[in-house]
Amino acid sequence: AQKVTQAQTEISVVEKEDVTLDCVYETRDTTYYLFWYKQPPSGELVFLIRRNSFDEQNEISGRYSWNFQKSTSSFNFTITASQVVDSAVYFCALSDLTDKLIFGTGTRLQVFP
Amino acid sequence: DAGVTQSPTHLIKTRGQHVTLRCSPISGHKSVSWYQQVLGQGPQFIFQYYEKEERGRGNFPDRFSARQFPNYSSELNVNALLLGDSALYLCASRRGQGYSAFFGQGTRLTVV
Repeated sequence: AQKVTQAQTEISVVEKEDVTLDCVYETRDTTYYLFWYKQPPSGELVFLIRRNSFDEQNEISGRYSWNFQKSTSSFNFTITASQVVDSAVYFCALSDLTDKLIFGTGTRLQVFP
Repeated sequence: DAGVTQSPTHLIKTRGQHVTLRCSPISGHKSVSWYQQVLGQGPQFIFQYYEKEERGRGNFPDRFSARQFPNYSSELNVNALLLGDSALYLCASRRGQGYSAFFGQGTRLTVV
């Protein structure tokens, strides 16, 4: 069975701190996709990144970076120099070739000025 | 280009009633999926449609049904509403199978 675990329920940081959100997944598939979504208070899920299981290269996009490690089944997300606008709930998700997304329970990030 | 649009944004219904939620995908996207997000939880998969055919169904009772129209828009119907159906219902669209999913702002349903 597929499963996504986000052990951090809530994280609070002060602006300009770096913060890492953890994601651990379980799957028996050899081909799968991993995602991160941001959900601000408005409710819309904002797509951040998609990685396939064959691409373990880390990715950096501005202040955001992602570390994919198949050996530990982890897909962690780091925000560098956090800002108040980064405050949201962040979801890690997993899908197989059916495109059905399995979400974790989310991590609420609060960035204080 | 417009993103995924859902209507209505908020809805209050009474137990036992029926509700229809609507979703218009991003232009050019042929796949629509529905998710239910209960407060404090991650979204749970309900249905997936691609080219007007059901391609997947989550672990939801038969009170939940959906369809996709020729213009790729979609409706989610829920019959005999229960208090536990209160949730944010999210629609996601994809260009096709294997592409990333983009979500709408959701419909917040409250059953009283």
